[in-house]
Amino acid sequence: ETGVTQTPRHLVMGMTNKKSLKCEQHLGHNAMYWYKQSAKKPLELMFVYSLEERVENNSVPSRFSPECPNSSHLFLHLHTLQPEDSALYLCASSRDRVGPQHFGDGTRLSIL
Amino acid sequence: RKEVEQDPGPFNVPEGATVAFNCTYSNSASQSFFWYRQDCRKEPKLLMSVYSSGNEDGRFTAQLNRASQYISLLIRDSKLSDSATYLCVVNFPTGGYNKLIFGAGTRLAVHP
Repeated sequence: ETGVTQTPRHLVMGMTNKKSLKCEQHLGHNAMYWYKQSAKKPLELMFVYSLEERVENNSVPSRFSPECPNSSHLFLHLHTLQPEDSALYLCASSRDRVGPQHFGDGTRLSIL
Repeated sequence: RKEVEQDPGPFNVPEGATVAFNCTYSNSASQSFFWYRQDCRKEPKLLMSVYSSGNEDGRFTAQLNRASQYISLLIRDSKLSDSATYLCVVNFPTGGYNKLIFGAGTRLAVHP
C-alpha cells in the first residue's frame, strides 16, 4: 500500500546531527500527523497539521521541528536529539476531522 | 483513569477459537471509534470503524456501548494470521480537529 510513504525507513544518528524525516500522502487528505511510538508504549501524538496549518503541538521538545509545505507533504526536522528519542516515528493522514487516520510505514530512529 | 484503556493480554488462543477484546474510554463526547491492528515492528492499520448500531466485517464484529463508554471486538474462527496487537482508538473532540487517542493495545497470539 503506498497511500502514505515515509522516508527513510531506518535512521541512525548521533546526538549532534541534524536530519529530517519525510512523509508524503497520495490520498487527497487534508490533515497530517506525526506520532512517536516507543517500545511498549501507546502511540503519542506529536503534531497535527490541518490544511497546512499547525493546530496542535503536544508539548513536544523544540529539538523536533515540523514543517508542512503543502497538504501532501510533512517533514520532521531533528537536531540535537537525546537517546530517549529513539523510537518509531509514524506519519498519518486523514480526510476530515472525524475519519480514520492512515499510517505510513514509519521511520525507526536510533540515537547513539 | 486512562483516556483509552485496554486489557494488554496476551490472549493465547487456538486456531478456530472465538476471542473478544474490550476497551473503555473516558470522554463521553467522543464520536468516532476504531479498531486498528498492529503487527510487530509495523505501522498500525485500520481494521474497522465502530458504529453505534454495531457492525460486522467477515469474522470480525465490533460493538459500541455509549452509555457505558465501552467498545468491543469479537473475532470468530481465529486464524494464525490474526496474531497481532489490536489497538482501540477513540476520537477526542478538541479544537475542531481529529485527535485520536490510542489505547496501549491487546496482544493476540493464535497457535495451531
